[in-house]
Amino acid sequence: GENVEQHPSTLSVQEGDSAVIKCTYSDSASNYFPWYKQELGKRPQLIIDIRSNVGEKKDQRIAVTLNKTAKHFSLHITETQPEDSAVYFCAAETTGFQKLVFGTGTRLLVSP
Amino acid sequence: EPEVTQTPSHQVTQMGQEVILRCVPISNHLYFYWYRQILGQKVEFLVSFYNNEISEKSEIFDDQFSVERPDGSNFTLKIRSTKLEDSAMYFCASSNAGNTIYFGEGSWLTVV
Repeated sequence: GENVEQHPSTLSVQEGDSAVIKCTYSDSASNYFPWYKQELGKRPQLIIDIRSNVGEKKDQRIAVTLNKTAKHFSLHITETQPEDSAVYFCAAETTGFQKLVFGTGTRLLVSP
Repeated sequence: EPEVTQTPSHQVTQMGQEVILRCVPISNHLYFYWYRQILGQKVEFLVSFYNNEISEKSEIFDDQFSVERPDGSNFTLKIRSTKLEDSAMYFCASSNAGNTIYFGEGSWLTVV
């Protein structure tokens, strides 16, 4: 089955810096890759997603890139703000199976 | 914006007791899920449900677990005889085929 690895486990940046979180997946049949932000005690909230027919997607300060050949995808946050501090999870889904396999999460801390 | 709603938000139960967690998925969604998250760990898939039957389940979803859609709106997760290691946040989620999976706020289960 699918296995998703995520790095780093923690990431500390200064406000205004960029943050990059990387994930790799094992199942070449996976074709949907969402990123979720989770604040303490809250639900995972989708922040951006990408499908396998697209190499990059951007939404304001957030972008995701996908390399299908290497089976990895990354989240890029530019101009980070303290309110970006949270745990970020990547996930992968294979069509037909309708389940998300999550990475282990990255705790992002943005210091003012 | 439509939301997945869950009850209870928090439940404390004695080991060996049965627990039912309830969810109301987004009304036009066809796929329903349960995920769980042990404190400080990643989100793990438990089960997916479509067309009134389980479409996929994980190794975690053993004979102690069951799901039901008793009417047109509710989706429940039952744990027959709770164990200490069942203590976790349980998230219900829903989606339509090929679309974003939306999570509820979660039900925090503590087994003592």
